[in-house]
Amino acid sequence: GIQVEQSPPDLILQEGANSTLRCNFSDSVNNLQWFHQNPWGQLINLFYIPSGTKQNGRLSATTVATERYSLLYISSSQTTDSGVYFCAVEDWDAGNMLTFGGGTRLMVKP
Amino acid sequence: ETGVTQTPRHLVMGMTNKKSLKCEQHLGHNAMYWYKQSAKKPLELMFVYSLEERVENNSVPSRFSPECPNSSHLFLHLHTLQPEDSALYLCASSQAGGQPQHFGDGTRLSIL
Repeated sequence: GIQVEQSPPDLILQEGANSTLRCNFSDSVNNLQWFHQNPWGQLINLFYIPSGTKQNGRLSATTVATERYSLLYISSSQTTDSGVYFCAVEDWDAGNMLTFGGGTRLMVKP
Repeated sequence: ETGVTQTPRHLVMGMTNKKSLKCEQHLGHNAMYWYKQSAKKPLELMFVYSLEERVENNSVPSRFSPECPNSSHLFLHLHTLQPEDSALYLCASSQAGGQPQHFGDGTRLSIL
């Protein structure tokens, strides 16, 4: 099956700093989503981005499908950004089934 | 997100108990999913229902039994679970065909 790797696994930021999270995948995909899991376990959709660039406030994401990676940018980080960020992909043969990466655990310090 | 509701939020049960997790979606989707999230592991897909038919069970032990009576409701029936089954169980829904999945808040399950 498709492999999804995220980096870095852990990240500590000072409030106000910017960061880039990366998601590499091993095969062509027809769907890629970024999620934020807060400390209470809630998994929140951030982006549905099989290709191209999208922005939502301080967050933006870029997927380069031909090179099999996606980036999540967090600018002017806040303590509420803390949690785990997951990317998940659906390959062409998977039929609605997402494969998740291992996540990036982010801690933003005040 | 409020479109996918899971109950209960927390569940503690013994290994011999039988319980059920419930998921309800109000988004008009036609596909629903169960995922398991264990400590320090990626989310693992357990079951997929598309148009109320199960399309994937991903080699889940038979002590987990899903039920999808209609496109808005999904259950996970639990019996004779093991301590290693303690985890966060997440339900999701989407439109079939590669559309974004939306997750519930999860049920945190502890097996004594």
